[in-house]
Amino acid sequence: GENVEQHPSTLSVQEGDSAVIKCTYSDSASNYFPWYKQELGKGPQLIIDIRSNVGEKKDQRIAVTLNKTAKHFSLHITETQPEDSAVYFCAASWEAAGNKLTFGGGTRVLVKP
Amino acid sequence: DAGVTQSPTHLIKTRGQQVTLRCSPKSGHDTVSWYQQALGQGPQFIFQYYEEEERQRGNFPDRFSGHQFPNYSSELNVNALLLGDSALYLCASSLPGQAQETQYFGPGTRLLVL
Repeated sequence: GENVEQHPSTLSVQEGDSAVIKCTYSDSASNYFPWYKQELGKGPQLIIDIRSNVGEKKDQRIAVTLNKTAKHFSLHITETQPEDSAVYFCAASWEAAGNKLTFGGGTRVLVKP
Repeated sequence: DAGVTQSPTHLIKTRGQQVTLRCSPKSGHDTVSWYQQALGQGPQFIFQYYEEEERQRGNFPDRFSGHQFPNYSSELNVNALLLGDSALYLCASSLPGQAQETQYFGPGTRLLVL
C-alpha cells in the first residue's frame, strides 16, 4: 500500500522567515495530495491541496509543489506568523482508493516572535 | 453551517470494555471516514461509509466496526478494548460525487483505555 514520509519532524523558524516541509510517497498511482494543519486539541484542517495534473498551487502565503517523477511534494509557508505554529500533515490518495488518505508523520512548526 | 461534530469529546474506558463513538457529518455530506490518531503520529484510516455501507477498510481488526444511519451520521464501535486503542479518533466527511473530494475533519474523540 501507499507509504508517505514527511520531513522534518520539527521545524523552528523566526517570525517572517519561510518554512518548507517535504513529503515523499511510494505509490505512483497517487494523484491527490492535501495538506492539513492541526492545532492543539483540534482536528486537522485542510489548508491547501494539489492534484497530479498541476505542478504548483498557491494561496496567499501558502504554496504547494508537486514533482510526480520524483514522487515528492512540498509545502511552503512564506512570511511566517506566530499563528502558523501548529502540526502540519501531508497526505496522499489515489483514485481507486476513493477518499482514503494516507498521512505522513507530521511536522511540528514553531514560529518564534 | 455546522461543521463535522463528534461526541463525546473525551472518554475513559478499561481494558476489555466496548465503546461507541458518534459523528455527524457536515451539512450536505454523505460520506464519512474514521481515522485513528495515536499521540505524535499522523491519522490512520480505519474505514469509510457511504450509503449506509462500509465502502473501504484500512488495516484494523474486526474489533473495529461501524455503522452509518439514513441521515448520514455514523458510529464507530470498538470491542474488547486494548491499551493500544488509546488515541484520538477522528471523523471526516466529504461531499457526494467522485472520489477524492475534500475531507473535513471533526475535533475528534480522545479515548483513554486503562
